Amino acid sequence: RKEVEQDPGPFNVPEGATVAFNCTYSNSASQSFFWYRQDCRKEPKLLMSVYSSGNEDGRFTAQLNRASQYISLLIRDSKLSDSATYLCVVNIGGNTGNQFYFGTGTSLTVIP
Amino acid sequence: DVKVTQSSRYLVKRTGEKVFLECVQDMDHENMFWYRQDPGLGLRLIYFSYDVKMKEKGDIPEGYSVSREKKERFSLILESASTNQTSMYLCASSPFGGMGQPQHFGDGTRLSIL
Repeated sequence: RKEVEQDPGPFNVPEGATVAFNCTYSNSASQSFFWYRQDCRKEPKLLMSVYSSGNEDGRFTAQLNRASQYISLLIRDSKLSDSATYLCVVNIGGNTGNQFYFGTGTSLTVIP
Repeated sequence: DVKVTQSSRYLVKRTGEKVFLECVQDMDHENMFWYRQDPGLGLRLIYFSYDVKMKEKGDIPEGYSVSREKKERFSLILESASTNQTSMYLCASSPFGGMGQPQHFGDGTRLSIL
């Protein structure tokens, strides 16, 4: 079983729409959670960390559900520039904090 | 801002060559990582290091080695390049302990083995 699973999509949505991605993780000891954005042929860039209480950054809202072991990303009022692949990342922690696990990514295309 | 710099954006090498990919970070991070990314497979960890001269195998270390002689620099070596090592290679770094601290990635190296 994969450590982190995401729906690969693709999600094709019109401008202005609200879209949500979910990601599940298998290790209940997971400690830190992140969403990254990756544009075509570019490196992943940190979009936001996910905190237990949920957090918001402009049009983006991240939620964590430890009981059900999933995290979510909500994008409101989608822009064309939001078109990218969104990666869910989980950190197991440990002594060195170097156990990161990546989902395979969810592809989003925002259509004019 | 954290800066992770990879030595080349694009690289073309021949089968059997020894290939060096270099990565330097400027934030004094203890942890450094090498991944490869292929369509449909996501990021796969090749090797990581949590200290100078320390290295640990990731999920797909075969055909690769690494070197970490200085804290800021982590090198990936393809001992004898093969066509199935054509891929996007990504270097990342993160602080030791890492609670709540994300990884930061370099721009990536697109490596083609002919």
